[in-house]
Amino acid sequence: DVQLVQSRAEVRKPGESLKISCKASGYKFPSYWIAWVRQMPGKGLEWMGIIYAADSDARYSPSFQGQVTFSVDKSISTAYLQWSSLRASDTAIYYCARQDITTTGAFDYWGQGTLVTVSS
Amino acid sequence: EIVMTQSPATLSVSPGERVTLSCRASQSVSSNLAWYQQKPGQAPRLLISRASTRAPDISARFSGSGSGTEFALTISSLQSEDFAVYFCQQYHEWPLWTFGQGTKVEIK
Repeated sequence: DVQLVQSRAEVRKPGESLKISCKASGYKFPSYWIAWVRQMPGKGLEWMGIIYAADSDARYSPSFQGQVTFSVDKSISTAYLQWSSLRASDTAIYYCARQDITTTGAFDYWGQGTLVTVSS
Repeated sequence: EIVMTQSPATLSVSPGERVTLSCRASQSVSSNLAWYQQKPGQAPRLLISRASTRAPDISARFSGSGSGTEFALTISSLQSEDFAVYFCQQYHEWPLWTFGQGTKVEIK
């Protein structure tokens, strides 16, 4: 079965760095894009960007360009989302999702989400 | 950036009723549109892709229609487990995917 398992909830102070993970299993990791989606408290879904697992080709939403960095480690089928300097406004749930570009085009499998809380 | 607008923001419905949710794109997205369901405390789940193709294991009471700029998600007979928030998403303008703001389906 396809699964995306995300790292646990994190609490950080403003200005701190953070890297969260999304471990894939049950499919050929390099064959798909992984998307990252933000959901702020009580709000809707925001697409942050995507990264191709085969070659780390990353595309960012203009709203998130320069604010976050995506990466992958093919050897352990894991994608990462990282911040170098967190702000209180980064408090949200972050989801990873697999995008099946060639068939459905949509995000067909989702991680359970990682809650990031940034507070002094 | 393509803007996706969903209406209404909230729908109050009784179990067994038929409901239709709308999603409008600011420019044509062809059939590159998906619908997701999100229940409280859960990750979103894919319901419909390519505007009208049900995802595996999704009940036949869910159907999607439309193309271009106007789309709809219809639930033929609302069940208790269908009360949730529904999001549409376009994946036409590479690589600037966007979501609608969501429609909450609540119990009347």
